[in-house]
Amino acid sequence: KQEVTQIPAALSVPEGENLVLNCSFTDSAIYNLQWFRQDPGKGLTSLLLIQSSQREQTSGRLNASLDKSSGRSTLYIAASQPGDSATYLCAVKSGATNKLIFGTGTLLAVQP
Amino acid sequence: SAVISQKPSRDICQRGTSLTIQCQVDSQVTMMFWYRQQPGQSLTLIATANQGSEATYESGFVIDKFPISRPNLTFSTLTVSNMSPEDSSIYLCSVAHTVNTEAFFGQGTRLTVV
Repeated sequence: KQEVTQIPAALSVPEGENLVLNCSFTDSAIYNLQWFRQDPGKGLTSLLLIQSSQREQTSGRLNASLDKSSGRSTLYIAASQPGDSATYLCAVKSGATNKLIFGTGTLLAVQP
Repeated sequence: SAVISQKPSRDICQRGTSLTIQCQVDSQVTMMFWYRQQPGQSLTLIATANQGSEATYESGFVIDKFPISRPNLTFSTLTVSNMSPEDSSIYLCSVAHTVNTEAFFGQGTRLTVV
């Protein structure tokens, strides 16, 4: 059974700092991995999608990497801003089904 | 991409009643899903909404409690039946064009049962 874990559960950084969020999964047989952002009480906004054959994806200040063999992904946020404050979720699409399995999330607070 | 309109955005309901949540997509999509996010928790898949046939439910979720309709490739509804305070959650609709493409989410329905 696929399990997805995110570390840390919460993170507080000063504005301008670069930071890394971690995501690990137990079954390497995945179709893809997706990072989302969720603002309080809201839905999810897709940030980056990495296919199982890819190593990384970039969008603006965000860079996501994938190491399928070790069951890990990282989301790198450069030059963080207060507007980046949100919960960040990673989700893997299992190779056995077409379901997204979500991690526990990292609550990020960027202090001005 | 896909733009998803989910209604209502929030509701406060009496226990024992039912609420139907609508999910409308701006384009035809192959896959539609319904998730639940309980307070302080991550997302859990309730079911896959299948066009023209019965939804596929995940373990722990049953049709009598969460009936789902999907009459076409752009619309689905989730009903939360005979509600109790334990059903208080955010319910989210999600779509994807194919197995290997990006998943998109609606803004969610925040349900409070009193």
